[in-house]
Amino acid sequence: EAGVVQSPRYKIIEKKQPVAFWCNPISGHNTLYWYLQNLGQGPELLIRYENEEAVDDSQLPKDRFSAERLKGVDSTLKIQPAELGDSAVYLCASSFEPSYEQFFGPGTRLTVL
Amino acid sequence: GNSVTQMEGPVTLSEEAFLTINCTYTATGYPSLFWYVQYPGEGLQLLLKATKADDKGSNKGFEATYRKETTSFHLEKGSVQVSDSAVYFCALTVSNFGNEKLTFGTGTRLTIIP
Repeated sequence: EAGVVQSPRYKIIEKKQPVAFWCNPISGHNTLYWYLQNLGQGPELLIRYENEEAVDDSQLPKDRFSAERLKGVDSTLKIQPAELGDSAVYLCASSFEPSYEQFFGPGTRLTVL
Repeated sequence: GNSVTQMEGPVTLSEEAFLTINCTYTATGYPSLFWYVQYPGEGLQLLLKATKADDKGSNKGFEATYRKETTSFHLEKGSVQVSDSAVYFCALTVSNFGNEKLTFGTGTRLTIIP
């Protein structure tokens, strides 16, 4: 069974540029999460989807971050414009339901110059 | 709110040494406790978990016991191997009618020397 797939694995951009990350969860998993992991820190939840509905986006900085999961399967997280402080690893995870184990992808490491 | 405090790293041990990584928590409500491991270049993987007081989670030779009286969930392994080198995260969730949110510690980087 394929795990959570994320792309790209690495991205280097200049500040003020836009960037997008893609995540394909494990087949059949209804719940999808995006996390931010700063260097030397644990992951912090940005947004959680149940199917196509964003049920918890309280930690998503909505002035520059957006996310979508249009068909309730794969998801895209976007930053526009990127700032230096956005350099981090962006993790995607999925679970069958919210109370079930979360499975994490390898992450996208973003560097903003 | 909920928070997790874990032993700062990095931790370097020789192969076959005994490992302890400390983890304490604060939670509003009754938490479930987890240890996740992140191997180089890979995503986080659930290593073990415990959902109620005095439960012991175990996997791959690692163990952790849910201690409510000391609000702790220390990770232990009797004899570490080079392949255990990774970053270990302690985490918790508090049941909230399906709105469980994982709260992670800062991670402890473990390096095992042959």
